[in-house]
Amino acid sequence: AQKITQTQPGMFVQEKEAVTLDCTYDTSDQSYGLFWYKQPSSGEMIFLIYQGSYDEQNATEGRYSLNFQKARKSANLVISASQLGDSAMYFCAMREASNSNSGYALNFGKGTSLLVTP
Amino acid sequence: GAGVSQSPSNKVTEKGKDVELRCDPISGHTALYWYRQSLGQGLEFLIYFQGNSAPDKSGLPSDRFSAERTGGSVSTLTIQRTQQEDSAVYLCASSFINPGDEQYFGPGTRLTVT
Repeated sequence: AQKITQTQPGMFVQEKEAVTLDCTYDTSDQSYGLFWYKQPSSGEMIFLIYQGSYDEQNATEGRYSLNFQKARKSANLVISASQLGDSAMYFCAMREASNSNSGYALNFGKGTSLLVTP
Repeated sequence: GAGVSQSPSNKVTEKGKDVELRCDPISGHTALYWYRQSLGQGLEFLIYFQGNSAPDKSGLPSDRFSAERTGGSVSTLTIQRTQQEDSAVYLCASSFINPGDEQYFGPGTRLTVT
């Protein structure tokens, strides 16, 4: 079963506007973590933000914030004041409780392609 | 400091040949992960190393795939008798071992099997 669902294959946003990228997850673990990564066309995966399941405050990192709604199992990424350089694929990922076989391996969603227009 | 490096960046090989992909993690990172990114499957986890040990190889797509890590550092992913369905980008990531530690990804190796 899909553990991470990103329902928006593609999104457009105008420069300087805010945009929300959706992510829902499925787990029975009490301890888990949610990550967002950015993948520009060059291919590298860039870590953006992390939210632990026990964190009471929503995570923020500069222009990135994570809207964590635990009861709804959603972890949406909000990018404020979009810039042209934000155009990229965005992946939501989850790590579950540590497993001796897979460590903290990440389950990724299919990604959302964001295009920022002038 | 230096990030995760992978080599080669691109590899084109003929079906049936063996290939070896290399990952050099960030110094001090004890955890190392291999993932595969393909159009059909998205990003999928392949194998995890804690130090030199890979406790579970069941995530590897077939028995043609093997991986090792030596000296708690460099890791190699070997694909024997490559098939066209092996074409993908192979990503390596390393991290410390705490739950909130992000994984740092290398630039990937794009493998094309002709």
